[in-house]
Amino acid sequence: DIQMTQSPSSLSASLGDRVTITCRSSQSIASYLNWYQQRPGKAPKLLIYAASNLQSGVPSRFSGSGSGIEFTLTISSLQPEDFAIYYCQQSYRSPDYSFGQGTKLEIK
Amino acid sequence: QVQLVQSGAEVKKPGASVKVSCKASDYTLISSGISWVRQAPGQGLEWMGWISGYNGNPNYVQKFQGRVTMTTDASTSTAYMELKSLRSDDTAVYYCARLTNIVGATVVDNWGQGTLVTVSS
Repeated sequence: DIQMTQSPSSLSASLGDRVTITCRSSQSIASYLNWYQQRPGKAPKLLIYAASNLQSGVPSRFSGSGSGIEFTLTISSLQPEDFAIYYCQQSYRSPDYSFGQGTKLEIK
Repeated sequence: QVQLVQSGAEVKKPGASVKVSCKASDYTLISSGISWVRQAPGQGLEWMGWISGYNGNPNYVQKFQGRVTMTTDASTSTAYMELKSLRSDDTAVYYCARLTNIVGATVVDNWGQGTLVTVSS
């Protein structure tokens, strides 16, 4: 099984800040890495696929990078609606397209 | 617009089974897969497996092998997930979600609203 580990587990930041979340896989997954945002009480939403591709309709302040075993999600200038939980997911090996444990982004 | 509409909340006793439905609209099941993800209260997302909309082949995570059955009914564009021998730690929101391919990447791009399954004696 491929284990996904995110850091930090939680993060406090202010409006307008630039923040970065890291996701590491237990083995190389090439660029088969997706990022999701989950707001309280809502289903997750796809933000980034294949490590660096912005899903249609997602604001350009979100970006992703990385390959192999280390990946990052960056939000360039935090907006109020960005305070949520973020999950990475590997889609390299089926059937277990495992998720990271999540990173909770809170307002400072 | 793609929509996945799930069945309503369930309360079950330990040892019972639950079957959650997921009806797709504005796209055909055959064109993609359906994945099932669960989220225990206050916890993260847990991938359970997925089923091909094309040929109905299921793919289960080992943890759930023997307890979970995923099926599809193309005539009604509905997917089902049945979980047997329920335990209290199966209490969670269960999501269905469309599994598709974008430029070679497998992604979950549309989610149902979630179904709360509570297991309690």
